[in-house]
Amino acid sequence: GNSVTQMEGPVTLSEEAFLTINCTYTATGYPSLFWYVQYPGEGLQLLLKATKADDKGSNKGFEATYRKETTSFHLEKGSVQVSDSAVYFCALSPNAGNMLTFGGGTRLMVKP
Amino acid sequence: DTAVSQTPKYLVTQMGNDKSIKCEQNLGHDTMYWYKQDSKKFLKIMFSYNNKELIINETVPNRFSPKSPDKAHLNLHINSLELGDSAVYFCASSRGQGRGELFFGEGSRLTVL
Repeated sequence: GNSVTQMEGPVTLSEEAFLTINCTYTATGYPSLFWYVQYPGEGLQLLLKATKADDKGSNKGFEATYRKETTSFHLEKGSVQVSDSAVYFCALSPNAGNMLTFGGGTRLMVKP
Repeated sequence: DTAVSQTPKYLVTQMGNDKSIKCEQNLGHDTMYWYKQDSKKFLKIMFSYNNKELIINETVPNRFSPKSPDKAHLNLHINSLELGDSAVYFCASSRGQGRGELFFGEGSRLTVL
């Protein structure tokens, strides 16, 4: 079956630090990969996505590259802000269909 | 206008009671979902409906019964509530059998005492 594994948090960084949140997946076929973000007290929002190998998804300064050879989709940001504090979820969707399989979430705390 | 709205946002109730959570989306999507998020933030799909028909039903106790009166609404009814049902329940919607872009509601926090 499909599964997503992400690094456990919390990840605590100072403002302007570099961020990496690791995500690896197990899936049959060629899934699409996603990062969702959940700000405190809110629902999840799509942050970025990649639909095929070597694609790079990017949004709001965040990036992730679909690496089929390492089955990874690590999230990076060059300079985090306090407002980036949230829980980040890596997810995959099979080639046909919308059923998302989520990783366990990684809480990011950015301190001024 | 809120795209996916759930009510109530907070629900505190006693074990054994029956409760419902309502969800409505105004995005014109034809697929809706219920997810359960536990205290450790782990998210698990419960149900998915496409055009009012059930298409995904994960291993959820039959005390949970989703109802979709039309494709803009997907309500969740829970009978005989148990302590382990305490969680945040998220409704979501998407456009057809697309590629995983879901729009989530703000969640309904259920606390069973």
